[in-house]
Amino acid sequence: AQSVTQLGSHVSVSEGALVLLRCNYSSSVPPYLFWYVQYPNQGLQLLLKYTSAATLVKGINGFEAEFKKSETSFHLTKPSAHMSDAAEYFCAVSFLTGTASKLTFGTGTRLQVTL
Amino acid sequence: DTGVSQDPRHKITKRGQNVTFRCDPISEHNRLYWYRQTLGQGPEFLTYFQNEAQLEKSRLLSDRFSAERPKGSFSTLEIQRTEQGDSAMYLCASSEMGVTGELFFGEGSRLTVL
Repeated sequence: AQSVTQLGSHVSVSEGALVLLRCNYSSSVPPYLFWYVQYPNQGLQLLLKYTSAATLVKGINGFEAEFKKSETSFHLTKPSAHMSDAAEYFCAVSFLTGTASKLTFGTGTRLQVTL
Repeated sequence: DTGVSQDPRHKITKRGQNVTFRCDPISEHNRLYWYRQTLGQGPEFLTYFQNEAQLEKSRLLSDRFSAERPKGSFSTLEIQRTEQGDSAMYLCASSEMGVTGELFFGEGSRLTVL
């Protein structure tokens, strides 16, 4: 069965510091991997996705993630945190079901950005 | 395009009552998904539709749960004889056919069962 594990339910960084949110996956087939963000009182929003093309994926708001098959990881990074990045971040893996796909999400990491 | 909308945003009910949630997807999206999210957990897949056809249901979806999408547009999720364990955020999402994993989520409907 496919799954993702997010290490650290809470991460706190200073404004301007590097953001690193960790995600490891388990999949018996080549996975599709995603990062979604959930701002307070808003729906989940796609940040970026990996679908077997380039291993370094760039997303919105300056975030990027690198697919590393050897480490079964898909960590999310941003060089310099901004206060507006405070949110909950979910890693997800997809497996095809018929003609559609459904996502299996991790438990989430809440990012806090301090002055 | 107003995005995915869900109604009601909050519902408080007593154990044993029935509740119904509505989801209006993005108009050109023919796939619609229901997820459930409990505190401290990520969203869990419940079911999805392609147009009006319900193509898959999770084992999480007990026989007290029923979802419909009668005309391939909006969808309803009904929970009969609610239990305290049903308390959660119910999320609806929609997507275009063929675009893997790019789901557009609504803000969710929070259910509290007393």
